[in-house]
Amino acid sequence: KAGVTQTPRYLIKTRGQQVTLSCSPISGHRSVSWYQQTPGQGLQFLFEYFSETQRNKGNFPGRFSGRQFSNSRSEMNVSTLELGDSALYLCASSPLPGELFFGEGSRLTVL
Amino acid sequence: GQQVMQIPQYQHVQEGEDFTTYCNSSTTLSNIQWYKQRPGGHPVFLIQLVKSGEVKKQKRLTFQFGEAKKNSSLHITATQTTDVGTYFCAGRNNDMRFGAGTRLTVKP
Repeated sequence: KAGVTQTPRYLIKTRGQQVTLSCSPISGHRSVSWYQQTPGQGLQFLFEYFSETQRNKGNFPGRFSGRQFSNSRSEMNVSTLELGDSALYLCASSPLPGELFFGEGSRLTVL
Repeated sequence: GQQVMQIPQYQHVQEGEDFTTYCNSSTTLSNIQWYKQRPGGHPVFLIQLVKSGEVKKQKRLTFQFGEAKKNSSLHITATQTTDVGTYFCAGRNNDMRFGAGTRLTVKP
């Protein structure tokens, strides 16, 4: 069974640009959640989606948005990038309720 | 909002010594999960605890869930170099919130 796939793995953007990250969950998993990981802050919860509906949202500004498609694939978008947005963005899928299966992450660097 | 505090932030041990990391939630949790992240890797699920006072063991690892379902601990007996990594607890209330993690290093 294929794992969680995140693309792109690495990307470099400049301040003010926007970025879209993609996540393909494990087949059959309908729940997808996103986390931001930075050395000082650990894993910060961004959003959780289930069957195309956002179930929960973390404490991030409106520049961070996401969506889930009918095939359970998910995307997150960050607009007007700031230097502080540099982080590893992790996507996890889950057969609710249960464990989270993480992808390798998308490492974003904002210059 | 829900917060999960985890201590210590770092722990350096000699191989063979024991290791413990603790998590505390500001709210009652429906369950708590533990994950391990090796350097350069992604978090990998270790275990889930659901019941009040639950204790589970995986070889040298012992996981506990508090009676009030607001705290948890992970204890590793006789650490090995393969135990190196960051251990995260994650508590579920409405959503899954992670502790800041405890980074374990083991000196051979």
